[in-house]
Amino acid sequence: GDSVTQTEGLVTLTEGLPVMLNCTYQSTYSPFLFWYVQHLNEAPKLLLKSFTDNKRPEHQGFHATLHKSSSSFHLQKSSAQLSDSALYYCALGNTGANTGKLTFGHGTILRVHP
Amino acid sequence: GPKVLQIPSHQIIDMGQMVTLNCDPVSNHLYFYWYKQILGQQMEFLVNFYNGKVMEKSKLFKDQFSVERPDGSYFTLKIQPTALEDSAVYFCASSLEQNSDYTFGSGTRLLVI
Repeated sequence: GDSVTQTEGLVTLTEGLPVMLNCTYQSTYSPFLFWYVQHLNEAPKLLLKSFTDNKRPEHQGFHATLHKSSSSFHLQKSSAQLSDSALYYCALGNTGANTGKLTFGHGTILRVHP
Repeated sequence: GPKVLQIPSHQIIDMGQMVTLNCDPVSNHLYFYWYKQILGQQMEFLVNFYNGKVMEKSKLFKDQFSVERPDGSYFTLKIQPTALEDSAVYFCASSLEQNSDYTFGSGTRLLVI
């Protein structure tokens, strides 16, 4: 079955340093990968998603590349900001399942301090 | 942007009672979902719903659970009777197409005592 692994539960960074949050997956079919961000007491919001044509999605300075060879979709940003502090979920959907269901990782809390 | 509203935001209920969680999805969305998140764990898929029918449900979607969206009103998750292990945050989401972006609600925090 489908699964998503986010190895870090908590990442703590100093403002201005680069961010990388890990995400690997296992999928039966051709996958779509997503990153959602959730700030405290708010709804999870889509941050970015993979494209089928190998374009690298970018949003708010974050980017991620789907590497099918390593089954990864790591989230990166060159310089962390205080406002990036939030909970980040990696999620997997697949076209073969045909239901729109997403499989989520456990989530990684990112804390950025001055 | 468009939002999914979940009502109530918090609910405390006695074990064995019935509870209904309400979700007002984005107006033109066609696919609706419920996810369950137990404290400290990841969000897990419960069920999705399209054109008045359940499309897929997980093993977490027990016989005591049901969903409906009568006449385009709220998309509801009903639990009858509730059990202690139903305590969790329940997230509703909607999407325009099957594999398109979800819009999530902020969740209903359910505590069964």
